[in-house]
Amino acid sequence: GQSLEQPSEVTAVEGAIVQINCTYQTSGFYGLSWYQQHDGGAPTFLSYNALDGLEETGRFSSFLSRSDSYGYLLLQELQMKDSASYFCAVRSLNTGGFKTIFGAGTRLFVKA
Amino acid sequence: DAGVTQSPTHLIKTRGQQVTLRCSPKSGHDTVSWYQQALGQGPQFIFQYYEEEERQRGNFPDRFSGHQFPNYSSELNVNALLLGDSALYLCASSSTDSPANTGELFFGEGSRLTVL
Repeated sequence: GQSLEQPSEVTAVEGAIVQINCTYQTSGFYGLSWYQQHDGGAPTFLSYNALDGLEETGRFSSFLSRSDSYGYLLLQELQMKDSASYFCAVRSLNTGGFKTIFGAGTRLFVKA
Repeated sequence: DAGVTQSPTHLIKTRGQQVTLRCSPKSGHDTVSWYQQALGQGPQFIFQYYEEEERQRGNFPDRFSGHQFPNYSSELNVNALLLGDSALYLCASSSTDSPANTGELFFGEGSRLTVL
């Protein structure tokens, strides 16, 4: 089967840096994605890692270690608007093609 | 360029009834995936359609079925509704699977189903 684990909640202050970790177990692993979802909104794509290492997109960075089945999302210079739920998602490849499975999400609270 | 559109946005049904939810994918996308999201939880994969066929399926009973039309739009049908089926149903579209792409999913705003 497939499983992903991430913390349920994280709280940080404006301007700070926060790291959201994700560990996964899956067959046919192809890549790890991160999505952001504000209350009442749709999930939106943030980043994707297929290879080991760090990917940077503005204030957000994502890291992957395939050997450790581990990744993280790093948010820098936190802003109030970053308060949202963040989901790691595993993209896997099997006989039926690609499939994306989501974790339970980490709710980030940014305080002034 | 219209993104992913879903209808209806909200609906209320009673136990035992049937429901059909609709999704139009983003222009240029040919793959549609459906997810169920309970309050405070992550999206749970229901199934995926490509070329009018169900290619992948999650751990959902046969009460959940779907269809994809030649224009790539899709429907999700749920029969014999249970209270536990109350959730936000999300449709996500993507382009044809390719090892070169990220598999980025574009989500609609969802259909919120309440079963009484």
